[in-house]
Amino acid sequence: EIVLTQSPGTLSLSPGERATLSCRASHSVSFSYLAWYQQKPGQAPRLLIYGASSRATGVPDRFSGGGSGTDFTLTISRLEPEDFAVYYCQQYGSSSWTFGQGTKVEIK
Amino acid sequence: QVHLVQSGAEVKRPGASVKVSCKASGYTFSGYFMHWVRQAPGQGLEWMGRIDPGSGDTDSAQKFQGWVTMTRDTSSRTAYMELSRLRSDDTAVYFCARDGRHGGFDYWGQGTLITVSS
Repeated sequence: EIVLTQSPGTLSLSPGERATLSCRASHSVSFSYLAWYQQKPGQAPRLLIYGASSRATGVPDRFSGGGSGTDFTLTISRLEPEDFAVYYCQQYGSSSWTFGQGTKVEIK
Repeated sequence: QVHLVQSGAEVKRPGASVKVSCKASGYTFSGYFMHWVRQAPGQGLEWMGRIDPGSGDTDSAQKFQGWVTMTRDTSSRTAYMELSRLRSDDTAVYFCARDGRHGGFDYWGQGTLITVSS
């Protein structure tokens, strides 16, 4: 099973700033089957990025994903008030899916 | 428009079983895997398993093997997840989520809170 480790645990930033979130895998992620989700309190997660760098339908272009192999990033170019939330990475490989433990982006 | 509607919250005793339903609409039910994910209070997301509604084939996380049962009823376009031998640390919100065929889960149910308490 591939273990995903996200860093930092919490990111304290102001609206308008750039956020860079990291997700590191214990083994190489096949075909870049790496996704990112946003979750707000009391809500289901929302798919942001799939295939490491493809934005899901309706996701603003301030969200971008990158990386390959074992190191992936989610970048939010300029934080909007609605972007303060918890973000999870997730991978798929060998009929098994796993999530990272999450990064909370909070208002500084 | 794709919708996944889950059954309501339940309270169960330790040792009991629970069965959560997820009714799909707005797409070809048999064409997309359905996953189950849970989230304990204040914790992260945990993948439990998935079912291929077309064939009924399932895969589950090693932790849940022999403990979770996933089924589907294609006539009603509903997926089910049954968890047995419940313990207090199974208290969580359980989500169903559609696999977007690209490794990501593109639509989610609203979640079902299962509380295990004596």
